[in-house]
Amino acid sequence: NAGVTQTPKFRILKIGQSMTLQCTQDMNHNYMYWYRQDPGMGLKLIYYSVGAGITDKGEVPNGYNVSRSTTEDFPLRLELAAPSQTSVYFCASRPARDTYEQYFGPGTRLTVT
Amino acid sequence: GQNIDQPTEMTATEGAIVQINCTYQTSGFNGLFWYQQHAGEAPTFLSYNVLDGLEEKGRFSSFLSRSKGYSYLLLKELQMKDSASYLCAVRGIGSSNTGKLIFGQGTTLQVKP
Repeated sequence: NAGVTQTPKFRILKIGQSMTLQCTQDMNHNYMYWYRQDPGMGLKLIYYSVGAGITDKGEVPNGYNVSRSTTEDFPLRLELAAPSQTSVYFCASRPARDTYEQYFGPGTRLTVT
Repeated sequence: GQNIDQPTEMTATEGAIVQINCTYQTSGFNGLFWYQQHAGEAPTFLSYNVLDGLEEKGRFSSFLSRSKGYSYLLLKELQMKDSASYLCAVRGIGSSNTGKLIFGQGTTLQVKP
């Protein structure tokens, strides 16, 4: 298993541009999460999904959108990028309701200038 | 409100023991996690406590007191590779179905020879 994979690893965006951060897991996990981590800070939850077709907002959803059309994929869409969205983005997944550990992808480092 | 506090930085000597504290004030409690994050990498799971007491796993132990809203991570026989950030995270109210976590800012541990 590759686990949780994220693309791209790095990206520089200009203010106002849009992009999609890809996240794929091959472990058949129901639960998936998107976090952002600003320098020297912990992780903040952006959006999460408890299964295909079901998504919900986390702590900091403004400026982002998600979709979950399959169990494997959970893309994060940035519309009209702003400098405040400069961060490292982590995707994570978790198998089932009674297991608690989240497995993280390697992250995408995004800079908006 | 939701608040998780950890010291920002700690320094310890190779071979020594270090204790990283975490205090939390959250709406409800469904468990506390410790994650390790090396610079530029994804967080990896270390421990999970849901009941009071000490959980030991090799050189690492984690303690929880729910009545005090307090946890610590104990690292014994420190090695240089233990230099990393240690993130405390709590599953709060409404998280039993979703697995949502609230993260502290993390404690950066530097191990010196």
